[in-house]
Amino acid sequence: EAGVTQSPTHLIKTRGQQATLRCSPISGHTSVYWYQQALGLGLQFLLWYDEGEERNRGNFPPRFSGRQFPNYSSELNVNALELEDSALYLCASSFFAEAFFGQGTRLTVV
Amino acid sequence: EDQVTQSPEALRLQEGESSSLNCSYTVSGLRGLFWYRQDPGKGPEFLFTLYSAGEEKEKERLKATLTKKESFLHITAPKPEDSATYLCAVQAPWAFQGAQKLVFGQGTRLTINP
Repeated sequence: EAGVTQSPTHLIKTRGQQATLRCSPISGHTSVYWYQQALGLGLQFLLWYDEGEERNRGNFPPRFSGRQFPNYSSELNVNALELEDSALYLCASSFFAEAFFGQGTRLTVV
Repeated sequence: EDQVTQSPEALRLQEGESSSLNCSYTVSGLRGLFWYRQDPGKGPEFLFTLYSAGEEKEKERLKATLTKKESFLHITAPKPEDSATYLCAVQAPWAFQGAQKLVFGQGTRLTINP
C-alpha cells in the first residue's frame, strides 16, 4: 500500500514569490495535517483538513493557506515568501487513529 | 490547553546503555498516544499507538508504556542506528463529534555512541 506522498521533494523560491506544495494521503484516509519544521526545531502545526473542510489552523499568518480536494489530496500555498519560511514542510494523513507522514518538501527561500 | 512535554531534550548514551524517554501530557479525553522516530531531514516514522493506561507495546529494542499522565519509551541495549529524534503525540477530541486533533511534543534527540 502506498504511503503519504509529497511533491516536490525540494523547492527553491525567491523572496516574495508563491510556493505550492502537494500531498497525497494514504488511500482511505480523510484527514490531512500540515506541519512546518525549521532546521533543528520541532513540528509546528500549520493546518488540519478533514473531509474537505479546514478544521483548525496553527499560529501562522494568513499567507499560509491550503485546501483539500474531493479525493482527499491537499495542497499548501505560501504567498509572499519570506526568508524565514525556509523549512521542511511535512504532511500527514490519518483516519481516526495514528497519523502517517510523508517525507516532506524542503522549501528554500533565497 | 492540551499540552505535550518531552524530556530530556537531548540524551547521549553509550552503545548498550539502556534508558527511558519521557512524554508528559495534559489533555482532556485522551484518545490515543503515539510515538514516532524522526531521522534528520526526513518525515517522522510511526512506531507505536497506546490507548489506555497500563498498555505496553514493544518493537525490537523499544518498549512504550502509558500511564494516566505520561508515557515512557524504554530503549534496551541501544545501538548507534537507534540515534534519532523521538517524538510523542496525543490525539484528543475536537469540538465537534467524530473529529480528532493531534498535538506533538518537541521531541528528544537521542545519540548512541559506539
